[in-house]
Amino acid sequence: GQQVMQIPQYQHVQEGEDFTTYCNSSTTLSNIQWYKQRPGGHPVFLIQLVKSGEVKKQKRLTFQFGEAKKNSSLHITATQTTDVGTYFCAGVKGGNKLVFGAGTILRVKS
Amino acid sequence: NAGVTQTPKFQVLKTGQSMTLQCAQDMNHEYMSWYRQDPGMGLRLIHYSVGAGITDQGEVPNGYNVSRSTTEDFPLRLLSAAPSQTSVYFCASSDRLIKNIQYFGAGTRLSVL
Repeated sequence: GQQVMQIPQYQHVQEGEDFTTYCNSSTTLSNIQWYKQRPGGHPVFLIQLVKSGEVKKQKRLTFQFGEAKKNSSLHITATQTTDVGTYFCAGVKGGNKLVFGAGTILRVKS
Repeated sequence: NAGVTQTPKFQVLKTGQSMTLQCAQDMNHEYMSWYRQDPGMGLRLIHYSVGAGITDQGEVPNGYNVSRSTTEDFPLRLLSAAPSQTSVYFCASSDRLIKNIQYFGAGTRLSVL
């Protein structure tokens, strides 16, 4: 079945450092979404990318969708302690079924 | 407007017991889904519904039943609990027009002994 691989599984950064998480799919995706889950919380939608090569920014967060629509990345510039949590990508290939990556746990040392 | 409400928040079961996890949404969303979250495995789809009276299986449906008698409610039933069903369960809903964007409930943490 469709799989979405996400790396790294875990990253511990110093406050102020940058952070990037990557998603790769074995098949072409119609779109990709990103969610953030704070410790003990529930996933919260961040953004959806639809177009090949699309780049979107939300303050210090930059999201990219690959040209082949098989990979995506989330980059956080100058991390803050409020960025801690687990970041999930979720791929959509038609229909309403999302396939989530395993998530990247981000810890920030202040 | 409460969004997606899940009950209970925590539950401990013995192997073989049955129970129902409740999920209700007040956003008039047609799409609803159940996921389970396990460490290192992300969120896996159990069952989903595209409207009242319509349900379908997701990636890991075995051991679970669902029904959708109203737009608002989408309960998840564990027929005979097993330790492998120890997990955090999230219910989510989405709007028909932006159907892929999921709004999650706070989750139910289930332990099966």
